[in-house]
Order: sequence, then structure tokens, then C-alpha cells
Amino acid sequence: NAGVTQTPKFQVLKTGQSMTLQCAQDMNHNSMYWYRQDPGMGLRLIYYSASEGTTDKGEVPNGYNVSRLNKREFSLRLESAAPSQTSVYFCATRSAGVNSPLHFGNGTRLTVT
Amino acid sequence: DAKTTQPPSMDCAEGRAANLPCNHSTISGNEYVYWYRQIHSQGPQYIIHGLKNNETNEMASLIITEDRKSSTLILPHATLRDTAVYYCIVRGGGADGLTFGKGTHLIIQP
Repeated sequence: NAGVTQTPKFQVLKTGQSMTLQCAQDMNHNSMYWYRQDPGMGLRLIYYSASEGTTDKGEVPNGYNVSRLNKREFSLRLESAAPSQTSVYFCATRSAGVNSPLHFGNGTRLTVT
Repeated sequence: DAKTTQPPSMDCAEGRAANLPCNHSTISGNEYVYWYRQIHSQGPQYIIHGLKNNETNEMASLIITEDRKSSTLILPHATLRDTAVYYCIVRGGGADGLTFGKGTHLIIQP
């Protein structure tokens, strides 16, 4: 039982390159989330998917796109990476219960040069 | 979501109880109080949550004041592995995630 798995763990990109961050869960949770965390800051929500087939913007969606591929997988795409997107990206999931807690993966550390 | 206020840092001696305060004076009736922690470079870990009654699990206890305007997370016997940033979050229902502030950096001293 792996919980929430994020790949890759580390990535270095040049400005303008694109990449997709992958997140997969085996907990059968309905909702999935992408957060970013910058040094010394709290987590900020980028996008979320309340259920399979739906996606919504969070606090900082600009420069990102997402795909909820199926119930298990939720990917985050950077079409043209910028240095301001250097951050640690966390995926989280949540079951259908109204006040159920979030469960996080261990993050992808992205550096854009 | 109601705003929360936490001290930026706290120290606690190993083996003692760590009491982490959180103020949430604008909390509304249907909002829960959640606590998470983040150990350096790892993803945040859920600890506990509650509405108005005190809650206890294998990790911690959550004490919520009767007026619900503040709460305290208690780690009963702190160990060095409890050194982390602790986040107090107030949230109602809905699927649109949780808002994380800067939290309290708890340092357990040997």
C-alpha cells in the first residue's frame, strides 16, 4: 500500500522546457490536489480535482495545466517552465467524507534554470 | 475559511508535553480545526481534527475552547522526531483543499 506516489522526485529544467509531474494514489480517494511550497512559505493550492472528470483552479494556477486521467492519477503540466516555478510540488488526496483529512505524497523538487 | 494565528516557533524539552496554541477567533459554526505537521523535506502529515469536542488519537490530543476561538495541540511525550513545522487550519466542508499558513516550527531539545 503505497498511498500517494509522486514522480519524479527531482527534476531540473531549463527555462522554456515542458514537463509533466505525475501523481498516483491507491487509496480509492475521490479528490486530488496539487500544491507548491516555496522556501519558508506555507503550501499554496495550484489545482484540484473534486472527482474523476472535474478540475478546478486553486490559488496559483497560472502557468500550469492539469489532467485527471482516471480516479487514481492526477498530473500537473508545465508547458513552458519559468524560474519562478522553482519549487517543491506536493500532490494530496482526500476521500469523499465532508471533513476527511488530506494525505500527501513526498513531493517533487523542481528547479528551473 | 477562518484565519488562524500561530507562534512562529517554540521549543520543548524531550520527554515533556509540547503544547502548541492556535487562535481562530473568526471560526464559524461548521468549520473544523485541523492539525498537520511537516518534517523537513517531507509531505505534510495529518495529525488530528475536531469540531468542538476534545479529540485524542495515537499521535496527539486536541483541546478546543468552549467558544471555539482557540485550540491547543498536545504532544504528550515529545521526542526529537517531533521536531517539525505544525500547521493549524480551520476549514468547513467542500472539496477545494486546505489553506496552509506558515505554521509553528517546534524544536524538541535533547
